[in-house]
Amino acid sequence: EVQLLESGGHLVQPGGSLRVSCTASGFTFRTYAMTWVRQAPGKGLEWVSGISGSGGSTNYADSVKGRFTISRDNSKNTLFLQLNSLRAEDTAVYYCAKQDCSNGLCYMSAWGQGTLVTVSS
Amino acid sequence: ETVMTQSPATLSVSPGDRATLSCRASQRIGSSLAWYQQKPGRAPRLLIYGASTRATGIPARFSGSGSGTEFTLTIGSLQSEDFAVYYCQQYHDWPPVTFGGGTKVEIK
Repeated sequence: EVQLLESGGHLVQPGGSLRVSCTASGFTFRTYAMTWVRQAPGKGLEWVSGISGSGGSTNYADSVKGRFTISRDNSKNTLFLQLNSLRAEDTAVYYCAKQDCSNGLCYMSAWGQGTLVTVSS
Repeated sequence: ETVMTQSPATLSVSPGDRATLSCRASQRIGSSLAWYQQKPGRAPRLLIYGASTRATGIPARFSGSGSGTEFTLTIGSLQSEDFAVYYCQQYHDWPPVTFGGGTKVEIK
């Protein structure tokens, strides 16, 4: 059974930094692209960032480009998202998701339970 | 960026009735369309990918159709556990992948 467990979310001041993690089990982690999606309180889903299985290719939403960094440690089956220069509008539940891909087209086949990041003074 | 528009925003349905949810893409995306279900306080769950393929374990009352720019999710006979928010997502034109704003299916 695929399991994804996020951690690391907490209250941080504007301008601050935070790293959230996602530990995976139940599948061969290194062979799957992974992604982060966030959801602000009472709002819809917003894709944040994605990374290939090897970690050699990454992509970001314009709203976080230059501030957030996605990475992975395949030896530890763990996905990371480093959040820098945080703003109030980054307040959200951050979900990691496993991507199933065919011909470079990927959908999100499994999701973690999410971790809440709150940016406030 | 491909903009996804879902309608209606809220759908009031009686248990046992059929529900039809729509999703429109601002440009053609082939069949690269997924549907997710989200219940309050829970993570989204994949229902449909490739516009019409049910994910593992998804009941047959959920069906997806469409291609190009117009897509539909049909729930054949609503059960109590189906009342939730449903999101469509395109993965043809990325980055970024984009989601629709969601349709809330509520009890009539």
